Amino acid sequence: DTEVTQTPKHLVMGMTNKKSLKCEQHMGHRAMYWYKQKAKKPPELMFVYSYEKLSINESVPSRFSPECPNSSLLNLHLHALQPEDSALYLCASSQVPTSASTDTQYFGPGTRLTVL
Amino acid sequence: KQEVTQIPAALSVPEGENLVLNCSFTDSAIYNLQWFRQDPGKGLTSLLLIQSSQREQTSGRLNASLDKSSGRSTLYIAASQPGDSATYLCAVKTSGSRLTFGEGTQLTVNP
Repeated sequence: DTEVTQTPKHLVMGMTNKKSLKCEQHMGHRAMYWYKQKAKKPPELMFVYSYEKLSINESVPSRFSPECPNSSLLNLHLHALQPEDSALYLCASSQVPTSASTDTQYFGPGTRLTVL
Repeated sequence: KQEVTQIPAALSVPEGENLVLNCSFTDSAIYNLQWFRQDPGKGLTSLLLIQSSQREQTSGRLNASLDKSSGRSTLYIAASQPGDSATYLCAVKTSGSRLTFGEGTQLTVNP
């Protein structure tokens, strides 16, 4: 099974709401990623978890709060977002980040987020 | 800082045509290069991964080449079909955790 699942597929929220995005994989991967993708742009890395510990935070605003409760699950908690945060949020997973030239990231289908 | 450029930004071809998408990168110190496909509003699907020690990879009608010394990769699509219409992204792995993406080529194959 090489699938990464994400829920919900679509989310509309107001600027005062609190919501969460969920990502799940059952490939035994120990690295999980959150990316943000604006229209017609490539994905931008937000966070990386390695062995359930946050290893990279790309200076993301604190209104985005990641959580990795176990090796299969990754959440992104959202609070007080701005309209400019509207984007496609992609989750990915891979073997533990190494310099292995064979390593690849597997991407989920994404959550389309609209902030009103 | 690694930069990845893809040319052209958009391409429209008639069905059946063979085509080439180009990707260039500024720093040859990469671990691998991947080509992804992305349909509108969807996630990324990995098409081909070329390790830094390899020159090319093939999968069906797709062939990707890598010239690390010159910082170039090409994705060749043979006998294009309308179902090939999508955005194609090139990405280089520059560390254990980081992929640097190009801006993508939006391909339209017309019936």
